[in-house]
Amino acid sequence: GAVVSQHPSWVICKSGTSVKIECRSLDFQATTMFWYRQFPKQSLMLMATSNEGSKATYEQGVEKDKFLINHASLTLSTLTVTSAHPEDSSFYICSARKRGVGVSRPQHFGDGTRLSIL
Amino acid sequence: AQSVTQLGSHVSVSEGALVLLRCNYSSSVPPYLFWYVQYPNQGLQLLLKYTTGATLVKGINGFEAEFKKSETSFHLTKPSAHMSDAAEYFCAVSGDTGRRALTFGSGTRLQVQP
Repeated sequence: GAVVSQHPSWVICKSGTSVKIECRSLDFQATTMFWYRQFPKQSLMLMATSNEGSKATYEQGVEKDKFLINHASLTLSTLTVTSAHPEDSSFYICSARKRGVGVSRPQHFGDGTRLSIL
Repeated sequence: AQSVTQLGSHVSVSEGALVLLRCNYSSSVPPYLFWYVQYPNQGLQLLLKYTTGATLVKGINGFEAEFKKSETSFHLTKPSAHMSDAAEYFCAVSGDTGRRALTFGSGTRLQVQP
């Protein structure tokens, strides 16, 4: 159990294009999903916390208008990179926490999306 | 505030040898600690976690970690390395009740030599 599906796994597109990445919890409900960004050979950096039915909470330095997050249901969160540029190229990973109480509940990660902007 | 320090960005061991990956944390509240493994171009898979109770935690694939509060450490070990253990390992902490996200260490790449 606790499977998180992320789609697409790889995207190559031209500069100026907007790209949408989906994160789905397949067998559980997730009131909270997280979006991370990972540069080559580096750790994961939290971009934003996505809460079902409310606005996402962005980390300092992350542009809200650049990285649009929507968490419309208990099983789906989307990240849209608007007007993407080469510096947005990165590996984006989502995670989801099962509905419930307690910060000790582990996060379950998707397989990530490699975004390459030409 | 919380942070994680992983000593050694690269660790190389021989197949069958002991694996030791080091993790030290800083947290203003009692921490919840996690170890994740990442294979190339994939997401993260939970190896084990410490919340409360027994300080020696056993995880998947033969890994275990010991929470030592006095040393603020949560080192990951495995008695005998397999080739399939080669991957990136991340230690993470969560404990700030106002922040449910994880804070990750910089990662340690484990190489297993035949």
